[in-house]
Amino acid sequence: ETGVTQSPTHLIKTRGQQVTLRCSSQSGHNTVSWYQQALGQGPQFIFQYYREEENGRGNFPPRFSGLQFPNYSSELNVNALELDDSALYLCASSLSGTRVTDTQYFGPGTRLTVL
Amino acid sequence: AQKVTQAQTEISVVEKEDVTLDCVYETRDTTYYLFWYKQPPSGELVFLIRRNSFDEQNEISGRYSWNFQKSTSSFNFTITASQVVDSAVYFCALSDNTGFQKLVFGTGTRLLVSP
Repeated sequence: ETGVTQSPTHLIKTRGQQVTLRCSSQSGHNTVSWYQQALGQGPQFIFQYYREEENGRGNFPPRFSGLQFPNYSSELNVNALELDDSALYLCASSLSGTRVTDTQYFGPGTRLTVL
Repeated sequence: AQKVTQAQTEISVVEKEDVTLDCVYETRDTTYYLFWYKQPPSGELVFLIRRNSFDEQNEISGRYSWNFQKSTSSFNFTITASQVVDSAVYFCALSDNTGFQKLVFGTGTRLLVSP
């Protein structure tokens, strides 16, 4: 196990609602990244937080937002849910967001279903 | 733009067979990093290997080996004497030197190892 935890494990929401997913990073890691993995696809990068600041973002609309807390845990918030937001959301932590050589260690994911 | 192609969607083998998973990547950067992750049914991505663009040495770790060839932009993964526990989806990923850690994943190869 990587030491990265995510909650909840599963979540069911309806279109238009808002959702918050949570991630606790591995001890000693100050960087958290979020990925969306649709069924049968590879994970897609949403954004990354380093020391409580967003320091990189993928091609996701502003209704995807995040937070990182002083203990380096993180939240992913999605507003105005759409059916296409149904996916496995993966959180990954790494030692330092400024070192691209660092390996990202993933949590077990949260499976979000939007009805 | 960066891209990772895993042309093999699914591979089925019988235990003890050797199997090679193909990965072809595209990037304009001269400095980049390549990764392989394993995703068992539980969903968590398990890190297997990282390789930087300046190190073309092949690597062997137990039953796993990796063949990195810059001339063909390939980073292939071989499992020797496959076991049922190797059954999973395997992802190849690429990260460049943008200043933050963003992994670009392929679509994955599902490996089924039957007894």
